[in-house]
Amino acid sequence: GQNIDQPTEMTATEGAIVQINCTYQTSGFNGLFWYQQHAGEAPTFLSYNVLDGLEEKGRFSSFLSRSKGYSYLLLKELQMKDSASYLCAVKASGGSYIPTFGRGTSLIVHP
Amino acid sequence: SAVISQKPSRDICQRGTSLTIQCQVDSQVTMMFWYRQQPGQSLTLIATANQGSEATYESGFVIDKFPISRPNLTFSTLTVSNMSPEDSSIYLCSVVSMQGGYTFGSGTRLTVV
Repeated sequence: GQNIDQPTEMTATEGAIVQINCTYQTSGFNGLFWYQQHAGEAPTFLSYNVLDGLEEKGRFSSFLSRSKGYSYLLLKELQMKDSASYLCAVKASGGSYIPTFGRGTSLIVHP
Repeated sequence: SAVISQKPSRDICQRGTSLTIQCQVDSQVTMMFWYRQQPGQSLTLIATANQGSEATYESGFVIDKFPISRPNLTFSTLTVSNMSPEDSSIYLCSVVSMQGGYTFGSGTRLTVV
């Protein structure tokens, strides 16, 4: 089976930097996704990491360490609109091409 | 990436009734996925809908409860049958996007009373 763990809730201040961690245990590994989900809306794709290292996309960066079963999503220059749930999802190898989602981290950005 | 139109966006239903949720994609896709997201929980895959064959259901989900249709490569429906309050949830359809991620419909918020 697969086990994905991320903090339930985090709070941060507007303009600051926040790091949301995700650890996983899977039978094989074939990629890790990060999604953003605002309340009452569908998840939207943020990033996809397959290889180790940091991928930067504007204010958002995602890091992966396959040997440690670890990823983080880094959000810089936080804005109020970044208040949302951030979902980590892992795609295992060996047949199942469909990602398994973590429970999500609810990020609250305050002034 | 694909654009998905999902409806209804929300509904309140009586227990024992059924609701059919529709997803229309603006391009042809081989597979469509149906998820459930219960309050405070992660997205849970219900089934994979393939055109021309029966849907593939995940453990804990059965065709009698969640019948799925996939009449063509741009459309699918999920029916939640004989509903109970435990079925209150958000239901989402999804397809694989060009970026390798997954694009989701806007979701259907179902409340069973």
